[in-house]
Amino acid sequence: GDSVTQMEGPVTLSEEAFLTINCTYTATGYPSLFWYVQYPGEGLQLLLKATKADDKGSNKGFEATYRKETTSFHLEKGSVQVSDSAVYFCALSGTGGFKTIFGAGTRLFVKA
Amino acid sequence: GAGVSQSPSNKVTEKGKDVELRCDPISGHTALYWYRQRLGQGLEFLIYFQGNSAPDKSGLPSDRFSAERTGESVSTLTIQRTQQEDSAVYLCASSPEWRGTLNEQFFGPGTRLTVL
Repeated sequence: GDSVTQMEGPVTLSEEAFLTINCTYTATGYPSLFWYVQYPGEGLQLLLKATKADDKGSNKGFEATYRKETTSFHLEKGSVQVSDSAVYFCALSGTGGFKTIFGAGTRLFVKA
Repeated sequence: GAGVSQSPSNKVTEKGKDVELRCDPISGHTALYWYRQRLGQGLEFLIYFQGNSAPDKSGLPSDRFSAERTGESVSTLTIQRTQQEDSAVYLCASSPEWRGTLNEQFFGPGTRLTVL
C-alpha cells in the first residue's frame, strides 16, 4: 500500500542554518504531496503542497519539489528561525481516493 | 471564517468508562476525518465521512470505537470501555468535496484523552 517515510528526529539546528527534512513516498498513480506543520500547542496546518511532478510548493520560506523519479518531496529552508521549531509531517493523498497518508513526523528544534 | 473546532480540549477518564468527543467542521466542508496521534507518533487514520456516502471505518482499531456524523455537520467519536492504550490526542479534520487528487485538510486543535 501507499506509504510515506520521513527522516527521524529530532533535528536540532542553530538559527540561520540550512534545513532539509527528507521525505520519500511509495504510491500507485500520481498522488498530491503535502507538508503539514504542528507548532507547539497548536493544531496541524498545511505548510505547502504540490500536485504533480516537478511542481514546487513554497510558503514562509520553505520549499519542496515533487520529484517523481526519486519519489521524494524533501522540505528545505535556507535560514531557519527559532519560530520554526515545530513538528513537520509529510503526507500524500489522492491515489486511491480520499485517504491521506501521513509520515511519522520530524521534530525540529532551532536554537537562538 | 471559523475553523474546525473540537470539544472538549482535554478529557481525563477512568478505565472502563465511555467517552464522547465532538468535532464541528468548517461550514460547507463535506469531508470529515478522525485521526489518533499517540505521544511522539504520527497520525493514525480512524474514520472518514464524505457527504451522504457510507463512512469508511477501516481505521477504527476495535469495536469499542464508533463515530457518527449528522449530515454535513457535527461528528462525534465514541470510545466505549476505555483502556489506557486509548490515551492519545484525537484530531478531527475537514475538507471540501474531494475533486481529483487535491485533498487539503483543515485540522482542529484536538482532544487530549487521558485514561487513568
